[in-house]
Amino acid sequence: QVHLVESGGGLVKPGGSLRLSCAASGFTFSDYFMSWIRQAPGKGLEWIGYITKTGSSKNYADSVKGRVTISRDNSKNSLYLEMNNLGVEDTAVYYCARERSGSYSTFDSWGQGTLVTVSS
Amino acid sequence: DIQMTQSPDSLSASVGDRVTMTCRASQSISDFLNWYQQKPGKAPKLLIHTASSLQSGAPSRFTGNVSGTDFTLTINGLQPEDFAIYYCQQSYSTPTFGQGTKVE
Repeated sequence: QVHLVESGGGLVKPGGSLRLSCAASGFTFSDYFMSWIRQAPGKGLEWIGYITKTGSSKNYADSVKGRVTISRDNSKNSLYLEMNNLGVEDTAVYYCARERSGSYSTFDSWGQGTLVTVSS
Repeated sequence: DIQMTQSPDSLSASVGDRVTMTCRASQSISDFLNWYQQKPGKAPKLLIHTASSLQSGAPSRFTGNVSGTDFTLTINGLQPEDFAIYYCQQSYSTPTFGQGTKVE
């Protein structure tokens, strides 16, 4: 059974940075593209970026480009999100999601999410 | 970015009803359209991919259709567990989501 568990959320001061982790299990992690998606409280879903199977290529949403880095460690079945210069608008639940094999940008499994609150 | 617009924002329905909601893309996306269900405090769950293909494990009462740039999600025989927010998402280019339709 596919299982994704995010961690690393919490309270961050404006201008600060975050590093989130996503632990994957129940599937061959290195066979899948992975994405990060966020959801501000009471709002809709916003894709942040993806990373390819080997980590050789990444793509980010324009709204976060230059502030975010997605990485992965296939030996640890783990996905990471680093974001800096955080603002209150980055307050959200952050989800990691698996991209459906052969259907890129189709998210067939999601973690439970981790809440990041940016506040002074 | 491609804009996705869902309608209505919310709808009121009863158990057993046939419910239909719409998602419109700002440009042609072929059939690169997915539907997700999200319940309060939970992560979204993929229901339909490529406009009309039922995701493994999703109930067969959920159906998706496409006509041009207009996509519909229909729930045939609404069940108590179907009260949720439904999001469409295009996978034609940089992924974008609709604003959601709440079924209450």
